[in-house]
Amino acid sequence: GQQVMQIPQYQHVQEGEDFTTYCNSSTTLSNIQWYKQRPGGHPVFLIQLVKSGEVKKQKRLTFQFGEAKKNSSLHITATQTTDVGTYFCAGPAGTASKLTFGTGTRLQVTL
Amino acid sequence: DGGITQSPKYLFRKEGQNVTLSCEQNLNHDAMYWYRQDPGQGLRLIYYSQIVNDFQKGDIAEGYSVSREKKESFPLTVTSAQKNPTAFYLCASSRSGIGGTYNEQFFGPGTRLTVL
Repeated sequence: GQQVMQIPQYQHVQEGEDFTTYCNSSTTLSNIQWYKQRPGGHPVFLIQLVKSGEVKKQKRLTFQFGEAKKNSSLHITATQTTDVGTYFCAGPAGTASKLTFGTGTRLQVTL
Repeated sequence: DGGITQSPKYLFRKEGQNVTLSCEQNLNHDAMYWYRQDPGQGLRLIYYSQIVNDFQKGDIAEGYSVSREKKESFPLTVTSAQKNPTAFYLCASSRSGIGGTYNEQFFGPGTRLTVL
């Protein structure tokens, strides 16, 4: 079945450093979504990418969808403590509205 | 306020007992989902429903059951057949994917189930 892997599994940065998480799918994706889950909380939708090579920005967050639509990345510039959490990518899993979530990258930011 | 509610937030049960987790949404979404999350792990799909009175198994349906009698409600029962039920359970909903589109999922606050 479809697998969606993310690397790294965990990253610890100092506030102000940049952070990137990579998402790789075993199959071509029609689109990819990104979610953030704060510690103890629930996942919250961040963005959806649809087009090959698409790049979208949300303030300090930059999302990219690969040309082959099998990978994606999330880059955070100048991290802040509010960025702490686990970031998940998710891709369609066949028909319907099902998603396969990636394994997640947990980000820890310290002062 | 529009959103998804799950109750209770924490639930303790003895081994061998069935337990039902509640999930209600007032977003008028057709699709609803149940996920299981273990510590430090991703989300695994248990069951999903695209429309009232219809639901399908996800990747880890064994030991779980659901019903979808109303659009706004999608309760999950964790049965005694589930061998390792202690986990964080998340309910989500979305608009139906029409024409191959996939819509964002909105999550409830989750229920932490501990089986003693």
